Amino acid sequence: QQQVKQSPQSLIVQKGGISIINCAYENTAFDYFPWYQQFPGKGPALLIAIRPDVSEKKEGRFTISFNKSAKQFSLHIMDSQPGDSATYFCAASRYSSASKIIFGSGTRLSIRP
Amino acid sequence: DAGVIQSPRHEVTEMGQEVTLRCKPISGHNSLFWYRQTMMRGLELLIYFNNNVPIDDSGMPEDRFSAKMPNASFSTLKIQPSEPRDSAVYFCASSFGGGQYNEQFFGPGTRLTVL
Repeated sequence: QQQVKQSPQSLIVQKGGISIINCAYENTAFDYFPWYQQFPGKGPALLIAIRPDVSEKKEGRFTISFNKSAKQFSLHIMDSQPGDSATYFCAASRYSSASKIIFGSGTRLSIRP
Repeated sequence: DAGVIQSPRHEVTEMGQEVTLRCKPISGHNSLFWYRQTMMRGLELLIYFNNNVPIDDSGMPEDRFSAKMPNASFSTLKIQPSEPRDSAVYFCASSFGGGQYNEQFFGPGTRLTVL
């Protein structure tokens, strides 16, 4: 019940296309859903996050879509660029003073020029 | 701020040796997390501390692994004795657990190779 399931494992998208990564969770107590981006040789870094009181959050070319009833959320990268090539992790956590984050298994995204 | 600092960045050791990884969290953060990343298992949480106290060590793989946080600005992860299957990238992350949704800031990682 603590797991966050992420798909696909890897994704290749042409430059200018839309990249879509999907995640699902079981624990309805989760109330914070961040996405982390990791470049080779670096640690993950927060990209964008959403709370379940909204169904969508957009920051530039990055959008999170959230479906509370289905317990699913997804990351959409519009106009994908080669610089977006990285590993993306979805995650979930609970509002807490010391809440740990449960990470998905990661998606390796490659944007072809 | 320099961000989360980890040392060493790379460590190569032989099976059976003791390995100590070090982490300095961002000043003012009161939660610290140790992760291990491998191709096979992804990003695994090993242990995390809040206000220097271990809160959840259920991810520590076995007794060979131990972690300490003697003060708010320093933590260690020790493996004794090390084994080849411990080879991975180990990340330290910190956050300000002030009752908010807590962004974790990751360090650059330590790449450990056990021969």
